[in-house]
Amino acid sequence: EAQVTQNPRYLITVTGKKLTVTCSQNMNHEYMSWYRQDPGLGLRQIYYSMNVEVTDKGDVPEGYKVSRKEKRNFPLILESPSPNQTSLYFCASKGLSSGANVLTFGAGSRLTVL
Amino acid sequence: AQSVAQPEDQVNVAEGNPLTVKCTYSVSGNPYLFWYVQYPNRGLQFLLKYITGDNLVKGSYGFEAEFNKSQTSFHLKKPSALVSDSALYFCAVSHHGSGNTGKLIFGQGTTLQVKP
Repeated sequence: EAQVTQNPRYLITVTGKKLTVTCSQNMNHEYMSWYRQDPGLGLRQIYYSMNVEVTDKGDVPEGYKVSRKEKRNFPLILESPSPNQTSLYFCASKGLSSGANVLTFGAGSRLTVL
Repeated sequence: AQSVAQPEDQVNVAEGNPLTVKCTYSVSGNPYLFWYVQYPNRGLQFLLKYITGDNLVKGSYGFEAEFNKSQTSFHLKKPSALVSDSALYFCAVSHHGSGNTGKLIFGQGTTLQVKP
């Protein structure tokens, strides 16, 4: 089944404790992206990647890092999490040959930072 | 700057009645417009998109949306609502210039509640 897989789905952590949210897709998509979803704000893009070793900032990149060493994986790294990073995170991917920006989303990772 | 507005936080309809979820957008040039649906504890699922051509776009699960350039709107509609349509709906826009960068601007989301 074609899908985007995120782990963990739920995580509670404390301020300053580094964490990584993994994202993997099995569709051979070039493009991958991370969004965060907050009530009343919709989804906002954190980082995106056009292909292996090519990443760029989205609208809210502060406090996050990403890497794209392999085509299928695009982990989101929070080096020193803070409570304002408590949110619902979504990874998404698309092939660059597919029609206009139809993204496939993962199921989401709900992060709580105490 | 590009933006999307969904003016209603929640829409309530009775099962069997028609439903409309509103969306207006602001973008320079011609937009690509999308609707996604999010069921509880699930990721976003693509419903439909408008790129060009016929202003009435048909999508999954019997949903359709009408592109109105003069009103800069892209309202989501369904002739007869089902209880199972209850979910969170997001409108999104991208600009032709963003090409394949995949950058979507999302609205705030509208919760659709369909009551039996």
